[in-house]
Amino acid sequence: DQQVKQNSPSLSVQEGRISILNCDYTNSMFDYFLWYKKYPAEGPTFLISISSIKDKNEDGRFTVFLNKSAKHLSLHIVPSQPGDSAVYFCAARVGATNKLIFGTGTLLAVQP
Amino acid sequence: DSGVTQTPKHLITATGQRVTLRCSPRSGDLSVYWYQQSLDQGLQFLIQYYNGEERAKGNILERFSAQQFPDLHSELNLSSLELGDSALYFCASSGSGRPTGELFFGEGSRLTVL
Repeated sequence: DQQVKQNSPSLSVQEGRISILNCDYTNSMFDYFLWYKKYPAEGPTFLISISSIKDKNEDGRFTVFLNKSAKHLSLHIVPSQPGDSAVYFCAARVGATNKLIFGTGTLLAVQP
Repeated sequence: DSGVTQTPKHLITATGQRVTLRCSPRSGDLSVYWYQQSLDQGLQFLIQYYNGEERAKGNILERFSAQQFPDLHSELNLSSLELGDSALYFCASSGSGRPTGELFFGEGSRLTVL
């Protein structure tokens, strides 16, 4: 039962353009949604989060949008930089235990 | 550097064997989480401990067990290993002061079962 889904295994974007990574979820009880970034041979690192009561959160070049009615969230990176090339994981928090349920990840490649 | 330390970084063993993966959480963090990442898979939640007590359980096999010690470090024990257990095993920790639920991950232990 995949409660958090990232349907695009990979995405390629030109440097300077916008990268949009998508995530869908099925459980309405999630209270926070998070994005993590992972480079090869490293652990995932936290990028940005959004509460389930918000619809947008922005941090520099990164913005996360949440559409609760569609059970969909997206991460926008503007402008994209080659150093952004990594695997991006969407995660949802189960509030009572603080555990995170992760999607399968999207490999972003930003071409110079 | 997340502050979470995992050892060993790499481990190669044979089917049927038993291994122990170790995790030291960030200073002050009471919660420890274990995740498994197999090839082309996301991070699968295995188990969570809070201050020495099991808090939540995920898709953890009966051949696997974990514990958290009084000094808050945690160990994940994998026994009767099978080829399919080859994966990256991540440990993460969190403190009580972060409402966003952010977890801090170690660099992982890569287990190869031959």
